[in-house]
Amino acid sequence: QSVLTQPPSASGTPGQRVTISCSGSSSNIGSEPVNWYQQLPGTAPKFLIYGNNQRPSGVPDRFSGSKSGTSASLAISGLQSEDEADYYCAAWDDSLNGVVFGGGTKLTVL
Amino acid sequence: EVQLVQSGEEVKKPGESLKISCKGSGYSFNNYWIGWVRQMPGKGLEWMGIIYPGDSDTRNSPSFQGQVTISADKSISTAYLQWRSLKASDTATYYCARQLNGGYDLWGQGTLVTV
Repeated sequence: QSVLTQPPSASGTPGQRVTISCSGSSSNIGSEPVNWYQQLPGTAPKFLIYGNNQRPSGVPDRFSGSKSGTSASLAISGLQSEDEADYYCAAWDDSLNGVVFGGGTKLTVL
Repeated sequence: EVQLVQSGEEVKKPGESLKISCKGSGYSFNNYWIGWVRQMPGKGLEWMGIIYPGDSDTRNSPSFQGQVTISADKSISTAYLQWRSLKASDTATYYCARQLNGGYDLWGQGTLVTV
């Protein structure tokens, strides 16, 4: 059971906008910035969003992040087939003194 | 090129010891925290701990405390993850990653360990 809760799956058609939620608590999302990672099949994770809503250089602006209270969301607009991947949220947890990840959401592009 | 290159796949027996490596290049390796992340087959990401190669300051996840040892040799820009006695449940892919802006911006290619 992961400390951060994500839906196991999400789907959309090309061009659509999809959102992936990430729920935590006051000791992690509620007090620390949220990061998001994309993991394409068979590859290492890729840094997608940091500090709740900042994109590293090279990440398309189709990807955006937000946070409210103890929940965060990743939005992907203009969905493309190459966005089919697993997505993970993560944050520092002040109680556990470590990084906690969500269980991951498998995004399928129909 | 800025990169982290990990050591190759390992196949070991229960009870054996193992040390895998993560070598950084193209940036000042000693000045960034390096984290280790486990991914068991078909499962999600789990944070194991971090090390600052410059002074070997280490923080371990309570979930992995006592199970693995994280170390670094700053003279050769390399971080390590070590087991004294492997178990079948240690079968996983292990990633090292550089910490920047509170997250992990640069990842190694992963090391598959099969016990």
